[in-house]
Amino acid sequence: KAGVTQTPRYLIKTRGQQVTLSCSPISGHRSVSWYQQTPGQGLQFLFEYFSETQRNKGNFPGRFSGRQFSNSRSEMNVSTLELGDSALYLCASSPFWVGTETQYFGPGTRLLVL
Amino acid sequence: ELKVEQNPLFLSMQEGKNYTIYCNYSTTSDRLYWYRQDPGKSLESLFVLLSNGAVKQEGRLMASLDTKARLSTLHITAAVHDLSATYFCAVVKEVALEYGNKLVFGAGTILRVKS
Repeated sequence: KAGVTQTPRYLIKTRGQQVTLSCSPISGHRSVSWYQQTPGQGLQFLFEYFSETQRNKGNFPGRFSGRQFSNSRSEMNVSTLELGDSALYLCASSPFWVGTETQYFGPGTRLLVL
Repeated sequence: ELKVEQNPLFLSMQEGKNYTIYCNYSTTSDRLYWYRQDPGKSLESLFVLLSNGAVKQEGRLMASLDTKARLSTLHITAAVHDLSATYFCAVVKEVALEYGNKLVFGAGTILRVKS
């Protein structure tokens, strides 16, 4: 089985721009979760999508949003980028909800905001 | 608010030695994950512990969960250099059935195994 894929792998943006990141889960997995990893804040949960519905959201501003398509692929959007949004963004997929089974992580998208 | 504390945050150990990483959390949860991350890489799932008293082993690593003590341990037996990585625990925070769960991560333990 192919693993979780994320595109793009690297991205450089400037403050005020917006960005869209993509995640393709393992075939058959219905849950996709997004995480932000920074040296200062560590790993933080952004949100989870399951069957095209957002099930839960972490403590992030509304500039962070996402969606999931009928084929379970997910996108994450960050609008009005700030310097502090520079991070590694990871997505993970699992067959069912977060907290029920193993999550498989993608390689991440490294975002640099200048 | 659920807080997850790992200790130690940095661990330097000799090959062949045993050691334990601790993961304490502040509110009730009965599910917990352990992950490994190599430098510049993504997270690799090691263990999923889904009930009190759960114990799982894979090679030189063994993880356990005590939900009453709100504690999970990751025990390393006879460490080898290949185990050098950062290890994270993540506790499942249940919000409500219809709203799903969140994962709250510990800060990570950097493990260096010296030969």
